[in-house]
Amino acid sequence: DTGVSQDPRHKITKRGQNVTFRCDPISEHNRLYWYRQTLGQGPEFLTYFQNEAQLEKSRLLSDRFSAERPKGSFSTLEIQRTEQGDSAMYLCASSSGQNHYEQYFGPGTRLTVT
Amino acid sequence: AQSVSQHNHHVILSEAASLELGCNYSYGGTVNLFWYVQYPGQHLQLLLKYFSGDPLVKGIKGFEAEFIKSKFSFNLRKPSVQWSDTAEYFCAVYATGRRALTFGSGTRLQVQP
Repeated sequence: DTGVSQDPRHKITKRGQNVTFRCDPISEHNRLYWYRQTLGQGPEFLTYFQNEAQLEKSRLLSDRFSAERPKGSFSTLEIQRTEQGDSAMYLCASSSGQNHYEQYFGPGTRLTVT
Repeated sequence: AQSVSQHNHHVILSEAASLELGCNYSYGGTVNLFWYVQYPGQHLQLLLKYFSGDPLVKGIKGFEAEFIKSKFSFNLRKPSVQWSDTAEYFCAVYATGRRALTFGSGTRLQVQP
């Protein structure tokens, strides 16, 4: 399967713990996006990378959140000191430079903070 | 701020019924419009897209959507739904100058056999 992959698919953690999620985009895609989706809502933009550069961050991305994309391939999203309000589905998407409007989504990582 | 509104949160139809899901957006500039579908247990998939040209666009599985610029709308239609169309449908907008999609809150479609 050459689609976007995310790991883990599910994560349960206790409040105050740190968690890290990984996203592997489609191999030839240089643009990578993180979104967050809560129950009953559509995905909301968190941050965007073009190659290894993080070019945009949403106001939703508090100081406890950090994302990286070393070498412009896979990306990680880390949440420090998790809170119950962080419980959500975290989605990764990628797109190519030529057709960057079309974003392809991964299966998501469902985070539950207890 | 840019926003997308989907009027129907939950729609229940019988097989063979016609479908129309509403989507309105608020953005005055050039936009690219999308419908994504999420089948139960699966990830978001692109259903159809509008960039320019013919405002009536056709997507996969018999779906189509019409862009009406004057109404800021991009409604999704299908003449005859099937049980396998049961899913959640999201309208999304990509505005020129922005870097990410803005999604509506989604419409859950339930098709009864």
